[in-house]
Amino acid sequence: ETGVTQSPTHLIKTRGQQVTLRCSSQSGHNTVSWYQQALGQGPQFIFQYYREEENGRGNFPPRFSGLQFPNYSSELNVNALELDDSALYLCASSLAGQGDTGELFFGEGSRLTVL
Amino acid sequence: AQSVAQPEDQVNVAEGNPLTVKCTYSVSGNPYLFWYVQYPNRGLQFLLKYITGDNLVKGSYGFEAEFNKSQTSFHLKKPSALVSDSALYFCAVRDRNTGGFKTIFGAGTRLFVKA
Repeated sequence: ETGVTQSPTHLIKTRGQQVTLRCSSQSGHNTVSWYQQALGQGPQFIFQYYREEENGRGNFPPRFSGLQFPNYSSELNVNALELDDSALYLCASSLAGQGDTGELFFGEGSRLTVL
Repeated sequence: AQSVAQPEDQVNVAEGNPLTVKCTYSVSGNPYLFWYVQYPNRGLQFLLKYITGDNLVKGSYGFEAEFNKSQTSFHLKKPSALVSDSALYFCAVRDRNTGGFKTIFGAGTRLFVKA
């Protein structure tokens, strides 16, 4: 059973640029959630994807967008980067529907620095 | 709306002593409740959960938590702390009735266990 993997692990961008972060969900999972964790804070819910559709969104502007693919992997895209977007971006997979045990399985995260 | 409060930024305890990390929550329906742990520069790891049934739930590494519906609390406990328990602990809630699959995290409590 493979766990959740994220790429890249670290990246540096400048203000105004765009970034794409990738996540491969754990085998057998059908749902991916994305979180932003700023330094010293708890993870903030960005959005969740289930069956390739956005299935809930937190308080983030539209320049944060995502995709889920048929193999349940996912991308997080952020346009027009701002300094405050610097954070650890966490992907978590889970199984929704029958067999839902509730907990999330996290990747190691992608640390984004915006200069 | 769902919310989680962790009233202590930091908890200090001596090795061998019992530890408690506090959490209170707010949901409009029935909660799923979770505790996760995060080590430096890593993703979150699931520790334990309350779904239904016995109010005292046991999890990984000797941790347990008590669900108290009247006080809307879900405090994390361990009878005898280890230095290796030092980490950042997050309480999380999911409203099974109205929140869909969205899991909301508290701000976190840093646990220091002194040898």
